[in-house]
Amino acid sequence: QVTLKESGPGMLQPSKTLSLTCSFSGFSLSTSGMVVSWIRQPSGKSLEWLAAIDWDGDKYYNPSLKSRLTVSKDTSNTQVFLKITSVDTADTATYYCARADTMGISGDFDYWGQGVMVTVSS
Amino acid sequence: DVVMTQTPVSLSVSLGNQASISCRSSQSLLHSDGNTYLSWYLQKPGQSPQLLIYLASNRFSGVSNRFSGSGSGTDFTLKISRVEPEDLGVYYCFQHTHLPLTFGSGTKLEIK
Repeated sequence: QVTLKESGPGMLQPSKTLSLTCSFSGFSLSTSGMVVSWIRQPSGKSLEWLAAIDWDGDKYYNPSLKSRLTVSKDTSNTQVFLKITSVDTADTATYYCARADTMGISGDFDYWGQGVMVTVSS
Repeated sequence: DVVMTQTPVSLSVSLGNQASISCRSSQSLLHSDGNTYLSWYLQKPGQSPQLLIYLASNRFSGVSNRFSGSGSGTDFTLKISRVEPEDLGVYYCFQHTHLPLTFGSGTKLEIK
């Protein structure tokens, strides 16, 4: 059974660095084709893909935020991390991690975490 | 970036009737490998998005056959036949042919 769960600070101040963790089970990020992405959604708005890391350790970023993003994974291949530097109120959103299996049917996000709300406020 | 334009923004449908949502991309979503990486997701109230349709017209595992996707190139459609109460939520189209991956702005389905 595949599950993902995001964790984060809940609230942080502008200009700080946001650190998020995606903990997952039911698959290994070392398996060929596996990719974990980060996606965010401000309240009442659409979804924005932020970054991804694949089984080979290759990383992909949304150019609109690339200079502020760092995605990484742990050596056990059961956690993925996202850091966003210099946050401001526009980074207030629910942050999701989601799995894609590029060796599967299409590489779509077939499993999502429940999301973690992050508020940037002074 | 590929811009995904969804219409309508919202849709109010009576139970048992059909709903149709359009999605247009600013570039062709036909990949060099021959696949069209256009998907549809439904986000029910208070939940994470869930995959409905992949590769433009294939239903994901467990998805009702009341949902159907069609289209190619830059124009795509999601149809929901015989709308049921559990269909309410926001529908998003999504492309992963081109980086960065992009979502549509969403279509909110309400039940009359």
